[in-house]
Amino acid sequence: DAKTTQPPSMDCAEGRAANLPCNHSTISGNEYVYWYRQIHSQGPQYIIHGLKNNETNEMASLIITEDRKSSTLILPHATLRDTAVYYCIVRVVVTNDYKLSFGAGTTVTVRA
Amino acid sequence: KAGVTQTPRYLIKTRGQQVTLSCSPISGHRSVSWYQQTPGQGLQFLFEYFSETQRNKGNFPGRFSGRQFSNSRSEMNVSTLELGDSALYLCASSLVGRETQYFGPGTRLLVL
Repeated sequence: DAKTTQPPSMDCAEGRAANLPCNHSTISGNEYVYWYRQIHSQGPQYIIHGLKNNETNEMASLIITEDRKSSTLILPHATLRDTAVYYCIVRVVVTNDYKLSFGAGTTVTVRA
Repeated sequence: KAGVTQTPRYLIKTRGQQVTLSCSPISGHRSVSWYQQTPGQGLQFLFEYFSETQRNKGNFPGRFSGRQFSNSRSEMNVSTLELGDSALYLCASSLVGRETQYFGPGTRLLVL
């Protein structure tokens, strides 16, 4: 699976949009971009994933650049409960290797 | 649908003992993966099971083993515990493996 690069930390004001960047310059055509988050000492929570089109669900939006070398997770109205470590993962899904490879992630702190 | 459940949630053992952790996947999910999370190494893949067969294995010693039952429930066992086995053990399930994985709350193991 391609490696990803994320900033180690970022702060966000409550009620504002949080934009989390992720670089995956070696991504290949059959690799999806997945985002998970992990609130302290809990299991990772799935947020969203996409291949090349932008995606939106009730939690977040995922914007993938046209060349697919980077993406941005957008939390539209951050709340204190969004404070967590956010992981960007690229993953081949048509394969016999189903593991997720987690990096260090971005520690997001939402401040009141 | 109920989420992934893991038991026990917390466990304290001493060096040399063995431990068995249990994971019940989301109903209908047949793939179960196990991960170890430590502050130093982050989230690392242990193994993945589907239809009672181990399909993928991470780089862990043979002391770490697992199995899956016909109802898709899975157990992992760690024998001859070492201090370094203290970690959060996470289980994730998906339909057949290549789809989105959903994580349980984890079992926190402390080895004294």
